[in-house]
Amino acid sequence: QITLKESGPTRVKPTQTLTLTCTLSGFSVSDGGVGVGWIRQPPGKALEFLALTYWDDDQRFSASLRNRLTVTRDTSRNQVVLTVTNMVPVDTATYYCVHYYYGSGAHDSRPFDHWGQGLLVTVSS
Amino acid sequence: QSVLTQPPSASGAPGQRVTISCSGSSSNIGENYVYWYQQVPGTAPKLLFFGANQRPSGVPDRFSASKSGTSASLAVSQLRPEDEADYYCAVWDNSQTVLFGGGTKLTVL
Repeated sequence: QITLKESGPTRVKPTQTLTLTCTLSGFSVSDGGVGVGWIRQPPGKALEFLALTYWDDDQRFSASLRNRLTVTRDTSRNQVVLTVTNMVPVDTATYYCVHYYYGSGAHDSRPFDHWGQGLLVTVSS
Repeated sequence: QSVLTQPPSASGAPGQRVTISCSGSSSNIGENYVYWYQQVPGTAPKLLFFGANQRPSGVPDRFSASKSGTSASLAVSQLRPEDEADYYCAVWDNSQTVLFGGGTKLTVL
């Protein structure tokens, strides 16, 4: 059974760096054809893609946020860490860690087929 | 404002059929698969469609999806109260990032 769980601070101050950890279960961050991503959702608003790291360490990022995002894989702990620099109040959102099944290509890829429960992060002084 | 355009709301009575649209461009919907997600308030989203309108196991066949040109649609037939949720379309853009629509709130009257 695939599960993902986000952990980290629920409140950060403006200009600080947010570091979130996603702990994986039921699969390995190194499994072929698999990716782990991050998606956020401000209160009452739409989903927003942030980043995705694949089993081969290839990565994809939001075009508007790529300069502030870093994603790293910790294979020994089976975790994926997201950092977001220079946090501002509009970054207040629920941050979700997600599983991405790439499979053999686009025709059978299942993007974000498993989601963590989400972690609400508030940016406030 | 999202690059993918969805109507903010849709509604229908139990038993009716409702369609939700998702409009994009040639660099996203026009060349890539469209994915659909259902989000019941207070919970994480759930994948409804992937690939060529394929449903993961457990998704009722009352849900169907289609694509034509730079637009896609999600249809829900035989509406049930438990279908009340927010629905999002998503697609890979040729710029190698994932785009989400603004979401559509489906109300079952």
